[in-house]
Amino acid sequence: EAQVTQNPRYLITVTGKKLTVTCSQNMNHEYMSWYRQDPGLGLRQIYYSMNVEVTDKGDVPEGYKVSRKEKRNFPLILESPSPNQTSLYFCASSLSGASGNTIYFGEGSWLTVV
Amino acid sequence: AQSVAQPEDQVNVAEGNPLTVKCTYSVSGNPYLFWYVQYPNRGLQFLLKYITGDNLVKGSYGFEAEFNKSQTSFHLKKPSALVSDSALYFCAVRDPGGGADGLTFGKGTHLIIQP
Repeated sequence: EAQVTQNPRYLITVTGKKLTVTCSQNMNHEYMSWYRQDPGLGLRQIYYSMNVEVTDKGDVPEGYKVSRKEKRNFPLILESPSPNQTSLYFCASSLSGASGNTIYFGEGSWLTVV
Repeated sequence: AQSVAQPEDQVNVAEGNPLTVKCTYSVSGNPYLFWYVQYPNRGLQFLLKYITGDNLVKGSYGFEAEFNKSQTSFHLKKPSALVSDSALYFCAVRDPGGGADGLTFGKGTHLIIQP
């Protein structure tokens, strides 16, 4: 089944403790990205990757890092999480960065930073 | 910069009645427009998109959307609502010239279908 898989789905962590949210897609997609969803704000893009070893900042990159060493994986790294990073995170992918391509989303990762 | 507005935080519709979820956009040039649905504790599911061609786009679960360039709108519609349609709906736009920037989303509209 074609899908975008994120882990963990739910996580409670403490301020300053580094964490990584993994993302993997099995559709051989070139383009991958991370979004965060906050009430009243919709979804906002954190980082995106046009292909392996090519990443760039989205609208809200502060406090996050990403890497794209393999085509299928695009982990999101929070080096020193803070409470304002409590949010619902979505990984997404599409065939390419072309605007007409449909972007497919994972199930989401609920992150709470206390 | 591109933007999307969903003017209603919540829409209430009786089961069996037609439903409309409103969306307006702002983008330079011709837009690429998308609708997604989010069920409780689930990810975003793609419903439909407008790229070019016929202004009426048909999508999943019986939904359709009408692109209106003069009104810069892309309202989501369904002729007969089901209770199972209750969910959070997002409209999104993508600049044809800036695909790498991803989707710009509206704030979402809660659709509540009453039995």
